[in-house]
Amino acid sequence: QKEVEQDPGPLSVPEGAIVSLNCTYSNSAFQYFMWYRQYSRKGPELLMYTYSSGNKEDGRFTAQVDKSSKYISLFIRDSQPSDSATYLCAMSGGGSYIPTFGRGTSLIVHP
Amino acid sequence: NAGVTQTPKFQVLKTGQSMTLQCAQDMNHNSMYWYRQDPGMGLRLIYYSASEGTTDKGEVPNGYNVSRLNKREFSLRLESAAPSQTSVYFCASSGGGNTEAFFGQGTRLTVV
Repeated sequence: QKEVEQDPGPLSVPEGAIVSLNCTYSNSAFQYFMWYRQYSRKGPELLMYTYSSGNKEDGRFTAQVDKSSKYISLFIRDSQPSDSATYLCAMSGGGSYIPTFGRGTSLIVHP
Repeated sequence: NAGVTQTPKFQVLKTGQSMTLQCAQDMNHNSMYWYRQDPGMGLRLIYYSASEGTTDKGEVPNGYNVSRLNKREFSLRLESAAPSQTSVYFCASSGGGNTEAFFGQGTRLTVV
């Protein structure tokens, strides 16, 4: 079992929908949580960075961390076709600063 | 601000050939990483460098070597390329500690 599990999808939603992307993890020492967006044939770009539990909001994006359940989420409100990409979660902590990545979820937002 | 720059962007090699992938960052970051990304496998760490002068193996180091030339540059070398090394390679850097990593645009390598 990988340390970080992420459903690869694809997840297909209509424009305007609320999207929920999720990751689970097994290492309770993780404290730093990141979400990256990767467009086709491009490098991952950082979307959100959070420390410990709680919520963080940035425009249409909300990152949520539940350390008790070892579960993190990224919500996208009013999704747009330009949000179509692969979303990767990553996390680090517990003496290792190197981020461990999930496999990524492919999101398709259709007009 | 260029961030993380990788060269080349594309490369085709024959089995047994060697090549070096170059990576440079201009963010004054201490830590640098090389990942490969394959369909269904996500990002897998090949090697990393916590700081100038140090390198360590990651999850999939076999068949690769690295050099941390200075604080800015971190190269990845394939001494004898194999078809199993066909992949997209990403270089990344971070400021050290548990700070976020920034990625280059990738090198798409095909070994025939």
